[in-house]
Amino acid sequence: DTGVSQDPRHKITKRGQNVTFRCDPISEHNRLYWYRQTLGQGPEFLTYFQNEAQLEKSRLLSDRFSAERPKGSFSTLEIQRTEQGDSAMYLCASQGGTGSSGANVLTFGAGSRLTVL
Amino acid sequence: GEDVEQSLFLSVREGDSSVINCTYTDSSSTYLYWYKQEPGAGLQLLTYIFSNMDMKQDQRLTVLLNKKDKHLSLRIADTQTGDSAIYFCAERYSSASKIIFGSGTRLSIRP
Repeated sequence: DTGVSQDPRHKITKRGQNVTFRCDPISEHNRLYWYRQTLGQGPEFLTYFQNEAQLEKSRLLSDRFSAERPKGSFSTLEIQRTEQGDSAMYLCASQGGTGSSGANVLTFGAGSRLTVL
Repeated sequence: GEDVEQSLFLSVREGDSSVINCTYTDSSSTYLYWYKQEPGAGLQLLTYIFSNMDMKQDQRLTVLLNKKDKHLSLRIADTQTGDSAIYFCAERYSSASKIIFGSGTRLSIRP
């Protein structure tokens, strides 16, 4: 296992379409996070899971966004009826494992870049 | 409230030390982090410090934490061209597991 994988790396879609992103975390990590990053900004927290349970969801996340982690392994982030304002990099990170460093730091994937036309 | 503030830009000469500063609002933060993001790449953890520490050194990196002022700094000694990137300060709240990031400081190196 070499790290956090995200797919697709790039997605271009038309306004109003639905898109889904997938994240495969580091296998022994029990926590998984989704962040959104726009140009010139830091990552903005969206939601996170501990195993299969979604423990927190940002107030900024509209009802068009939904995330799942059905078996406590990979996660999907779906955006319905996309808007141009949804264009951003969607970052996934995982946390966990043994030892203080694994338990307290996030390991990020390379991100999925969404462009809504 | 949840807020992490950083200055947007820093320019240093190659070989000099870089100091990137960050302020945060939650005095109950347990861990504070520095991440690096190079163009087109994901975020890479550089170092982190637990809130009961004042300083942490790791090779060319020195992190200083002033809990009273809620101020965190990252010093990069002997700055090289490969250090050009955006540096993000982040904090983890004690009452929740989410990690909140600042807007990042873009470090540029001049010859």
